[in-house]
Amino acid sequence: QAVVTQEPSLTVSPGGTVTLTCGSSTGGVTSGHNPYWFQQNPGQAPRTLIYETNNKHSWTPARFSGSLLGGKAALTLSGAQPEDEAEYYCLLHYTGAAVFGGGTKVTVL
Amino acid sequence: EVQLVESGGGLVQPGGSLRLSCGASRITLSLYWVIWVRQAPGKGLEWVANINQDGSEKNSVDSVKGRFTISRDNAKNSVYLQMNSLRAEDTAVYYCSSGHNSAHWGLGTLVTVSS
Repeated sequence: QAVVTQEPSLTVSPGGTVTLTCGSSTGGVTSGHNPYWFQQNPGQAPRTLIYETNNKHSWTPARFSGSLLGGKAALTLSGAQPEDEAEYYCLLHYTGAAVFGGGTKVTVL
Repeated sequence: EVQLVESGGGLVQPGGSLRLSCGASRITLSLYWVIWVRQAPGKGLEWVANINQDGSEKNSVDSVKGRFTISRDNAKNSVYLQMNSLRAEDTAVYYCSSGHNSAHWGLGTLVTVSS
């Protein structure tokens, strides 16, 4: 099955902007992979932030946005807040399966 | 508030079996796909399996094919994960997720495979 890659860790300053990416071993990521993004805090269940590349749930803060960038799915956090410090996972869909990336630990510092 | 509740986890010996349940309140699961996701201690999320609304389409990750079976009982508003021939590497917290574009997640149930 495919391998989905994410940056292991990123650091952003409070109020700053950071972009997380999600690549696929099978080639460029497209909207057909139906990218999702999830946030997970330590000891908690994941929370779905973004679905179908760039759609937000009602609870998704406006500072999060999803896109396709350079053949990858991307999650951009603009105006980082201390509470955004968490692990972020992308999920890509393939025929008959879905695969999570390894996660990106975002530190707000 | 919508709630998904996983149950059925516990300690099991290698080669043993467990059946996980995902129950729901204030959401009609029969309207949605349901997925099972697991997370080994200190590790990332792993997609395990999914099932469509009427149970006619099921998919699973290669590492559990032939050992795990996903099913659902829409009359009971529940989805199940039958896990057979369990291995140490199946040790994880198992989550179910459903709703509009995986809007809802349970808190998870811990499965420990150890002798």
